[in-house]
Amino acid sequence: DQQVKQNSPSLSVQEGRISILNCDYTNSMFDYFLWYKKYPAEGPTFLISISSIKDKNEDGRFTVFLNKSAKHLSLHIVPSQPGDSAVYFCAAFTSGTYKYIFGTGTRLKVLA
Amino acid sequence: NAGVTQTPKFQVLKTGQSMTLQCAQDMNHNSMYWYRQDPGMGLRLIYYSASEGTTDKGEVPNGYNVSRLNKREFSLRLESAAPSQTSVYFCASSDIRDRRYSNQPQHFGDGTRLSIL
Repeated sequence: DQQVKQNSPSLSVQEGRISILNCDYTNSMFDYFLWYKKYPAEGPTFLISISSIKDKNEDGRFTVFLNKSAKHLSLHIVPSQPGDSAVYFCAAFTSGTYKYIFGTGTRLKVLA
Repeated sequence: NAGVTQTPKFQVLKTGQSMTLQCAQDMNHNSMYWYRQDPGMGLRLIYYSASEGTTDKGEVPNGYNVSRLNKREFSLRLESAAPSQTSVYFCASSDIRDRRYSNQPQHFGDGTRLSIL
């Protein structure tokens, strides 16, 4: 049972345009959501997070939106840059546990 | 500025051989994790250690054992390697001090690429 789903394995976007990466979850007990970026041959690195009590968190070019009623979150990258080309993982965490549940990842390619 | 260090970076084993993957973190984090990454499967939790002296199973623990040697080090052992364990293994740590509140992100090592023939 996949509790965190990223249904788009890949996405291509033109440089300067907006990239939107989506993530759906099934467990209403999740209270934090995180996005990680992963380059080839490296480990994932933390990008941005959001608490379940918020609906938006912004950090520079990166904004995460959370729609609790739809159990859906999205990561917006504006403007997209070639260096943003990577695999993006969505993850969810429940306070009271120590476990992070990851999605399967979306490969973003930003075209110059 | 090492963060999370994994050794080795690459390894090829024959079926039935044993191996220990090493992980060390220098951030004084309480919690440590082992994941495997397979194509189309994302990151799946094998084992984790919430704090020194404790370990718990994750999503895919079969065929693996772990040891939290001290606060810094968390090792993963394959007792009898099988081709299905061919994967990229990531170690991570985080500073979850209070399980009621934390949204501390994990810090990952660069992975161990393991092939089992």
